[in-house]
Amino acid sequence: KNEVEQSPQNLTAQEGEFITINCSYSVGISALHWLQQHPGGGIVSLFMLSSGKKKHGRLIATINIQEKHSSLHITASHPRDSAVYICAAHSGGGADGLTFGKGTHLIIQP
Amino acid sequence: DAGITQSPRYKITETGRQVTLMCHQTWSHSYMFWYRQDLGHGLRLIYYSAAADITDKGEVPDGYVVSRSKTENFPLTLESATRSQTSVYFCASSESSTFTYGYTFGSGTRLTVV
Repeated sequence: KNEVEQSPQNLTAQEGEFITINCSYSVGISALHWLQQHPGGGIVSLFMLSSGKKKHGRLIATINIQEKHSSLHITASHPRDSAVYICAAHSGGGADGLTFGKGTHLIIQP
Repeated sequence: DAGITQSPRYKITETGRQVTLMCHQTWSHSYMFWYRQDLGHGLRLIYYSAAADITDKGEVPDGYVVSRSKTENFPLTLESATRSQTSVYFCASSESSTFTYGYTFGSGTRLTVV
């Protein structure tokens, strides 16, 4: 079973700061997902990546397959970015192959 | 509006009672999933379904039953609720088993067993 670790568990930052959330996994994967869970509880899929880098607005996700590590960056952070960010590693083998991290609770203060 | 609808949003039930959580999707996705989310754990897969009438166990299936008679519905039943089943339950759907096109979550059901 893949072990997925996220760091930090909690992060409080000031508006405008550059944010980095890290995700490491123990077993080779076919894809890595980043999700966002808002305070109201809804979960949104942000990125799926298997190599390199993806960018959407102020969000950037990178992955290093050799090092089994992915990062989620937020540029020019804003209070509305406050949420729990979850990474999930897909080890392949089918629909039950996703292992989720415990999440990083991000608070952006104005 | 298209998407996944879970009901109820909140539920309080007593130990030993049967409870059914509903999940309805309008995407016509083949795959549907039930997860539970607890403090100190990542999302954990309870059951999933690849198509109507095809279901399979996930990581934590004990005490739960699912069915999928129609593609769009995937109800989760707790046959005899226990306090350890107090959790937030999420339904999700995906077009493929590899999640190539991402996947969609419902808003969650917060279940409290007293």
